[in-house]
Amino acid sequence: EDQVTQSPEALRLQEGESSSLNCSYTVSGLRGLFWYRQDPGKGPEFLFTLYSAGEEKEKERLKATLTKKESFLHITAPKPEDSATYLCAVPNFGNEKLTFGTGTRLTIIP
Amino acid sequence: EPEVTQTPSHQVTQMGQEVILRCVPISNHLYFYWYRQILGQKVEFLVSFYNNEISEKSEIFDDQFSVERPDGSNFTLKIRSTKLEDSAMYFCASRLAVGRSYNEQFFGPGTRLTVL
Repeated sequence: EDQVTQSPEALRLQEGESSSLNCSYTVSGLRGLFWYRQDPGKGPEFLFTLYSAGEEKEKERLKATLTKKESFLHITAPKPEDSATYLCAVPNFGNEKLTFGTGTRLTIIP
Repeated sequence: EPEVTQTPSHQVTQMGQEVILRCVPISNHLYFYWYRQILGQKVEFLVSFYNNEISEKSEIFDDQFSVERPDGSNFTLKIRSTKLEDSAMYFCASRLAVGRSYNEQFFGPGTRLTVL
């Protein structure tokens, strides 16, 4: 069974203080790894897909990277509006249902 | 930009009552999903739907649950007799299922179900 573990559970940063969030995964065959952003009381908002080890994707202050065992979401010089819960998920073979991690709750302090 | 929509945003019901949660997936998408998220817990898969039938369902998706695509645009989740433990956010998602980004799923804003 696919497993996804995210760390840390929560992270508080000062505005401008860069850091990384971790997502480690165990799957029978990697069919991609997704990062989502979730604001309180809202649905997951799609950010990135990574399909193979070594791949990187960037969007504004966020950069996602992938190895054979884990993915990192690097946040550079974050702003308060980057505060959210960041989720990673992996699809399974067949109908591509997603297995999610518990997320990292990121708070950026002005 | 196309998006998944869900109604209602919040549903309050009494235990034992039936509820129907509605979703309009992105128009050219082929696969549809329901997930739920109990407060403070992870998002978990309920059911997937393709070609007008269920392709997979989780252990949570028991006989009290059903899904339907009554027309070309709506996708519904029905809970026949709600329990207190059904209180959660319910998310609908859809994916295109073709092309390079075939398995990317896009989520709706959710319906908060409160069972009293």
